[in-house]
Amino acid sequence: QSVLTQPPSVSGALGQRVTISCTGSRSNIGAGYDVWWYQQLPGTAPKLLISFNTNRPSGVPDRFSGSKSGTSASLAITGLQAEDEADYYCQSYDSTLKGDFVFGTGTKVTVL
Amino acid sequence: QVQLVQSGSELKKPGASVKISCKASGYSFTNYAINWVRQAPGQGLQWMGWINTNTGNPIYAQGSTGRFVFSLDTSVSTAYLQIRSLKADDSAVYYCARGRPDTFDVWGLGTMVTVSS
Repeated sequence: QSVLTQPPSVSGALGQRVTISCTGSRSNIGAGYDVWWYQQLPGTAPKLLISFNTNRPSGVPDRFSGSKSGTSASLAITGLQAEDEADYYCQSYDSTLKGDFVFGTGTKVTVL
Repeated sequence: QVQLVQSGSELKKPGASVKISCKASGYSFTNYAINWVRQAPGQGLQWMGWINTNTGNPIYAQGSTGRFVFSLDTSVSTAYLQIRSLKADDSAVYYCARGRPDTFDVWGLGTMVTVSS
């Protein structure tokens, strides 16, 4: 059972905007710990999408953006593309786990 | 280019051990930690811990059973994950990922371990 909760699935039409929430608590995101986001295309390894809440690594399209507020974080995908259909995971630290990294429960994005 | 190359799939019987390798190339191995992440079939990502490639000190996730062992051979830029006393629910894909130790920016392709009698 992860301490970071994500919706199991979100969907959107081509070109639309979707957001994925990552809900934590005062022991992780709410404690000020950073959030990372990863994209996992079917049958492949995860790929870093967002680091330190809002930073996009080189090569990640600018239609992906991250934000953080309070005990939650969000990943937004604007101008949804077919190739964005994948699983998305948030990640942070948790102080109750003595600084362990924790992943969110994961969200499947479906492009309609 | 920067990459992590993992060893191939393994099929093991319950109670056996397995040792997975993760060979780094394209960067200075000791400048980054190596994290281990597992993913059971149809499930999410689970962080297992990380190893400091400078000191060899491993950090295991809370709740680890003690059956997991992280190790290194810095002479060949390789990290290892050993799993002892394998159980059926250890069947999963195991990934290594480069980090500082956070920001897992480079991932191996994964090693599938199947535990079955």
